[in-house]
Amino acid sequence: AQSVTQPDIHITVSEGASLELRCNYSYGATPYLFWYVQSPGQGLQLLLKYFSGDTLVQGIKGFEAEFKRSQSSFNLRKPSVHWSDAAEYFCAVGVLGQGAQKLVFGQGTRLTINP
Amino acid sequence: GAVVSQHPSRVICKSGTSVKIECRSLDFQATTMFWYRQFPKQSLMLMATSNEGSKATYEQGVEKDKFLINHASLTLSTLTVTSAHPEDSSFYICSARVAPGPEAFFGQGTRLTVV
Repeated sequence: AQSVTQPDIHITVSEGASLELRCNYSYGATPYLFWYVQSPGQGLQLLLKYFSGDTLVQGIKGFEAEFKRSQSSFNLRKPSVHWSDAAEYFCAVGVLGQGAQKLVFGQGTRLTINP
Repeated sequence: GAVVSQHPSRVICKSGTSVKIECRSLDFQATTMFWYRQFPKQSLMLMATSNEGSKATYEQGVEKDKFLINHASLTLSTLTVTSAHPEDSSFYICSARVAPGPEAFFGQGTRLTVV
């Protein structure tokens, strides 16, 4: 079955430090991969996506992610975090199920920024 | 572009009553809409997938008679929680997709509290 694992439930980094959020997936075919961000009480905003091609993808707000097929990973990175980056981050894989593409989400990683 | 509007953002209802939540794609036609439920500090759980003009497909364990989904047009889907009980209190989020890609855009979510 398809699944997404985000090993880190909660990460704390200092403002200005670099960030890497881990994501591993399990899917038999070539995956569509996404990273979303959710602020408290809000919906999800798409940060970036990978469908094919260059395995290093750039997203909004200075985020990037690298698809590594050999490791079944799609880790999210940012060189220097800002206090406004504090939020919940979800990795997702797009799968084909019941005749429609749908998203399977990881458990989420809560990011806290220390001043 | 790609804006999904969800209404209401918050609703409080009495136990035993029904509540309707609307999900609209404002600037595109959504061939498929999805409804998710999110418990505090948890990931999104897909409840059902709906295609315009056809019956929704519910995930295993989701009561279709309790969570009525209507997708009457390419820009509107509704979720009605019937005979709501306190255990139905949750954060409900919709998303909309434009075929053929898997990318989905999310609404702001609805916080339902049943008292």
